[in-house]
Parts: sequence; structure tokens; C-alpha cells
Amino acid sequence: GAGVSQSPSNKVTEKGKDVELRCDPISGHTALYWYRQSLGQGLEFLIYFQGNSAPDKSGLPSDRFSAERTGGSVSTLTIQRTQQEDSAVYLCASSLRAGDGEKLFFGSGTQLSVL
Amino acid sequence: EDQVTQSPEALRLQEGESSSLNCSYTVSGLRGLFWYRQDPGKGPEFLFTLYSAGEEKEKERLKATLTKKESFLHITAPKPEDSATYLCAVQTFGNTGKLIFGQGTTLQVKP
Repeated sequence: GAGVSQSPSNKVTEKGKDVELRCDPISGHTALYWYRQSLGQGLEFLIYFQGNSAPDKSGLPSDRFSAERTGGSVSTLTIQRTQQEDSAVYLCASSLRAGDGEKLFFGSGTQLSVL
Repeated sequence: EDQVTQSPEALRLQEGESSSLNCSYTVSGLRGLFWYRQDPGKGPEFLFTLYSAGEEKEKERLKATLTKKESFLHITAPKPEDSATYLCAVQTFGNTGKLIFGQGTTLQVKP
């Protein structure tokens, strides 16, 4: 595909359940990012991966959140024991590399609703 | 603490009525300032990167400018298709992978 692909586009879950969100970046992009966008809030950085380097996890809000990137391509964001405050749009982005002025290409996001 | 504030939150214009959106920032060391456009149900789409005070960039009806404290996105003779949320973000030294976003300005252009 030409752009960043995220699945599912919508996810409704019950409080306490675990969820997995998937991101397929643009082919050849070595950097991959996860952001969260809550209603009325700006985009909030969660985590980013650059090549084979250790990911920068400094934006993850709690230890219920984790992410991995397999084979330098597809990434999965996992939220364990979901809470209502986790409801948001989760956006994935990729770029050629993580560097100064690097422009990010975003997917359309996964709308997560925790009931 | 690094911070980005955008104003106004919402802006309604008539087609052809030019205006400006503001992005004020307080950061420890600015490496780059970005403007993105976001349509409903979509992810943000890159518009511009500015690096130093005095720099300007243009694309169609949009022009972005940068000072040491703020950036402006000028919209000249807007059209209804310019309706979207415009996001400003900063990148700081030593944090190349993270962008700090403002809350955005939602622009509506009426025909």
C-alpha cells in the first residue's frame, strides 16, 4: 500500500479486557511512532522505534501499555486491562528515519472505545 | 516544561476572507516547528517544517512564518476545501523522535 495502514479502524471493548492495535508502516521507513489523540486534546506521544535501536518508551502512560515492532516493519500496540480513560484515537506514523525535520506520515488511526 | 499553544481554537471564515492562525511555543531548544492539516476521521498530513526565526514557507494559499516565540499560518483567500484542523508541533534538541503538538485550530470556510 501507498500509506500507513492501521487496523482495526474501530475497536469497542469492555473495561478490563486487553486490546491489540496494529500498524503497517510505509515500506522502507525505518522509524515508526505511536501517538494518542483524546477528544479535545492534542496528539500525545507514546513511543517510537528507529531501526534496530532500543525504542523510546518515555511517553507510555502506564505499564499497561506496551508496543513491539517485528522485523523492522509491522508494529503492535497492546493495552492490558483497559480503562475508560484509555478511550481515544491511536495514531501510528512512519518516516524514513527519526531525524531533525523528518516529516511523519500518519495512518487514519484506530478509534478505541472502552465501555 | 515544553509547551505549544494554538489560537484560536476555532475559526469561521467566508470564502475569500484571509486570516492567520497562531502557534505559540515555550521550549528548551527548538529544532523544528511543524504544521500539519487534519481532516475528520483521518490522520494529520504534513504541510511545512520551519527551522529558524525569519523563515517562511508557502504552499498554495498557505504561508507559514516563524519567530523566536511563535509561528503563524496565514491563509490567503481561503476556499471551502481548506476547512480542516490545523496542528502545530515542535521538535526539540535531543528528542528527534518526539513531537509536542498543540491542540489545533479548527477552520471552517463557508462558501
